[in-house]
Amino acid sequence: NAGVTQTPKFRILKIGQSMTLQCTQDMNHNYMYWYRQDPGMGLKLIYYSVGAGITDKGEVPNGYNVSRSTTEDFPLRLELAAPSQTSVYFCASSRRENNEQFFGPGTRLTVL
Amino acid sequence: AQSVSQHNHHVILSEAASLELGCNYSYGGTVNLFWYVQYPGQHLQLLLKYFSGDPLVKGIKGFEAEFIKSKFSFNLRKPSVQWSDTAEYFCAVNALKDDYKLSFGAGTTVTVRA
Repeated sequence: NAGVTQTPKFRILKIGQSMTLQCTQDMNHNYMYWYRQDPGMGLKLIYYSVGAGITDKGEVPNGYNVSRSTTEDFPLRLELAAPSQTSVYFCASSRRENNEQFFGPGTRLTVL
Repeated sequence: AQSVSQHNHHVILSEAASLELGCNYSYGGTVNLFWYVQYPGQHLQLLLKYFSGDPLVKGIKGFEAEFIKSKFSFNLRKPSVQWSDTAEYFCAVNALKDDYKLSFGAGTTVTVRA
C-alpha cells in the first residue's frame, strides 16, 4: 500500500493564481481530511469528507474548495491564491470518524 | 471545536534524559486522544492513542502516555530519549460532540543532543 499520497510536494504561486492540490489514498478509507500547518499553530482542519459525494467545512475553509467524486481522491482547490495561504498542507484519511488518521507527506505552498 | 494545549513549545534534552510533554484539552465529555510525531522532513505518524480502558497507554519506540480524566490531561513520556527522537510532537483530541473532528495542539519541538 502506498497509503496517502499528495502532489505536488512544493509549489510557488503568484497572488491570484489558482491550483489544485491532489490527494489519493489506497486504503479504502471513507473519511478524508485536509489540514494546513502553520508554524506554532498546529494543524487546522480545512475541509473533510465522510464518503464519496459528501464534504463539509472544517475550522478554516475560506479560500478553499473540495470535491470527493471517488473514495480514493480528495483534491483541494485554491481559486485565488493569497499570501495568507502560504502553508504546508496535509491530507489524511481514516477508516472511521474516530479512528487513527493516516497522513500524506504534505505539500509546501508559497504564495508571493 | 475544543482546544488542545501543549505546555512546551521547545524542549532541549541530552541523550538518555527522560522526556515528559504535557497536553491538556478543554472538553469534558467522551474523547479519543492521540499523540502524533513528525520527524524532520516527514509526515505525521501515530505514536499512540487512547480510546478507552487502561489509562496508561504504550506506543511505539518506547513512548507511553497517561490519560488523567480529572485533569483533562494526556501527557507523553519516554524514560530515556535518543538522538533519533528529535522531532515535533502533536497532541490531538477528537470527541463525539465535535463529530469526531480532530483538534491538534500547537506542537512541541523536541531536540535531543548527542
